[in-house]
Amino acid sequence: GDSVTQMEGPVTLSEEAFLTINCTYTATGYPSLFWYVQYPGEGLQLLLKATKADDKGSNKGFEATYRKETTSFHLEKGSVQVSDSAVYFCALSSAGKSTFGDGTTLTVKP
Amino acid sequence: GAGVSQSPRYKVAKRGQDVALRCDPISGHVSLFWYQQALGQGPEFLTYFQNEAQLDKSGLPSDRFFAERPEGSVSTLKIQRTQQEDSAVYLCASSPNGGSSYNEQFFGPGTRLTVL
Repeated sequence: GDSVTQMEGPVTLSEEAFLTINCTYTATGYPSLFWYVQYPGEGLQLLLKATKADDKGSNKGFEATYRKETTSFHLEKGSVQVSDSAVYFCALSSAGKSTFGDGTTLTVKP
Repeated sequence: GAGVSQSPRYKVAKRGQDVALRCDPISGHVSLFWYQQALGQGPEFLTYFQNEAQLDKSGLPSDRFFAERPEGSVSTLKIQRTQQEDSAVYLCASSPNGGSSYNEQFFGPGTRLTVL
């Protein structure tokens, strides 16, 4: 079946540091790929998505590129802020059904 | 506009009790999903509705779990004879269209179920 493996956390960075959270997937067919974020005390919300190979999703300074050859969708941000502290989930969607990774907790310190 | 709402937000049940968890999706959304999220893990798919039709229930862990969406809007997830391993956060999500993998899902805040 489909699966998503993401970088284990927690990740702690200083403000303005570069962020990478790795995500790889296994799927049959051609899934869409997503990053969801969960801020403290809030529900899951979409951060960005890509629906086909080589697409780049971007939002709020975060980016991820759909790499079919390496089955990856790594999340990056050039300069993190304290407000980016949250749990980040990589997910794929295929035939209407979504599969999530276990989440990576990011803490950004001033 | 209003997002996805779930009730109750917290539920404590004694082992063996039945529970019912409610989800109010965003108005007009065709698709509705239920997930189970254990502590420290990602959401695990339980079941999927397109309008009132339950198209996929492959993730329901046992026949003690039952979900319905009789009028194609509000949905209820029922767990009979709860067990301690049912303790988790139950998430509901809705999506505007049916059958597409492209659309984001809009999540509710979840119901935290604790079975004693």
